[in-house]
Amino acid sequence: QQQVKQSPQSLIVQKGGISIINCAYENTAFDYFPWYQQFPGKGPALLIAIRPDVSEKKEGRFTISFNKSAKQFSLHIMDSQPGDSATYFCAAFSDPRQLTFGSGTQLTVLP
Amino acid sequence: GAVVSQHPSRVICKSGTSVKIECRSLDFQATTMFWYRQFPKQSLMLMATSNEGSKATYEQGVEKDKFLINHASLTLSTLTVTSAHPEDSSFYICSASTFGQGGYTFGSGTRLTVV
Repeated sequence: QQQVKQSPQSLIVQKGGISIINCAYENTAFDYFPWYQQFPGKGPALLIAIRPDVSEKKEGRFTISFNKSAKQFSLHIMDSQPGDSATYFCAAFSDPRQLTFGSGTQLTVLP
Repeated sequence: GAVVSQHPSRVICKSGTSVKIECRSLDFQATTMFWYRQFPKQSLMLMATSNEGSKATYEQGVEKDKFLINHASLTLSTLTVTSAHPEDSSFYICSASTFGQGGYTFGSGTRLTVV
């Protein structure tokens, strides 16, 4: 059973636009929500993360919005750049420390 | 920041042979490491959890006799794919827990091709 649902599967955005990726979870025991960025042929790299007691976290052009009551969280990439083209995974941690990944979103930013 | 080194990055082997993949935590001790498998355009699938000094814990459906995991030190875990077959061709990724620095740190992955 997929515990973290991610959408869309793929996303095409013009340079300078806003990329939005959404995730929803079911397990209320999740207590930490990271986003990973993965380039082809490479391992995932931590992009930004949030805890459920915070509604928003911003780091540069990347923002996580978190809605605890709706059990949803999203990644916003402002001023999207061609270099942001990658696959993005949302994820969630629960105790014992296990990481559950979303299905991934392939982002393409057109120049 | 924490760095996890994975080697080799690519390997091609003949069907029936064994291949060893190494995962090292370079600047921290990792009592627990994780091994994932990723098919093209798919998410990461957890294969097993590697604990230093003890037997690995395998996820349901993962053949422990085929995917041998050894975690003999606090900085090294190895995954050996035994008697590899073409269907074992995949992208294998390791990770280590670095909660003090934001979660899990992943290695750069190993592309295994069995011919």
